[in-house]
Amino acid sequence: DVQMTQSPYNLVASPGESVSINCKASKSISKYLAWYQQKPGKTNKLLIYDGSTLQSGIPSRFRGSGSGTDFTLTIRSLEPEDFGLYYCQQHNEYPLTFGSGTKLEIK
Amino acid sequence: EVQLVESGGDLVKPGRSLKLSCLASGFTFTNYGVSWIRQAPGKGLEWIASISSSSSYIYYADTVKGRFTISRDNAKNTLYLQMTGLRSEDSALYYCTRGNYELLDAWGQGTSVTVSS
Repeated sequence: DVQMTQSPYNLVASPGESVSINCKASKSISKYLAWYQQKPGKTNKLLIYDGSTLQSGIPSRFRGSGSGTDFTLTIRSLEPEDFGLYYCQQHNEYPLTFGSGTKLEIK
Repeated sequence: EVQLVESGGDLVKPGRSLKLSCLASGFTFTNYGVSWIRQAPGKGLEWIASISSSSSYIYYADTVKGRFTISRDNAKNTLYLQMTGLRSEDSALYYCTRGNYELLDAWGQGTSVTVSS
């Protein structure tokens, strides 16, 4: 199984700042990495797939990069509504596996 | 609007069975694979099972293989998860998700399963 190691566990940032979340796969997953946002009272949202492809309707301040084993989600110019939990997931093979999550808190 | 509405969650005793359902609307159900993902209280996301659009391909996590069965009824736009031999570690919020190519591009709100004596 592909283990996904996500960091940091927690992030605190102010509106307007940029933050990065990292995800490392235990073996190469080519480009097949997705990022999801989880917020209370909302359904989970797919943000990025194939490492860097923005899902329809997602603001361009979300940017994904990386390939192979190392991936990064960057959120530029943070908005207050960006708080929540973020998960990476490899979509290269079964079993599908997720990172442990990053909690983003807005100052 | 794409909607996935789960139901069937309950409080059950260890060893018992439970069947979850997910009613899909707002899209052509037969065009998509669907999956179940669960999240234990305060924990992360765990994939547990996926089924392809025509039920030709089915995959399970090792943690549920042999105990859980995923199925779908395309005529009813409904996904199911039959759970048997439930354990306390199966307690979680169970999400229905849609997606092809192992992506999960739409999620339901989840249905809660608690396994406790």
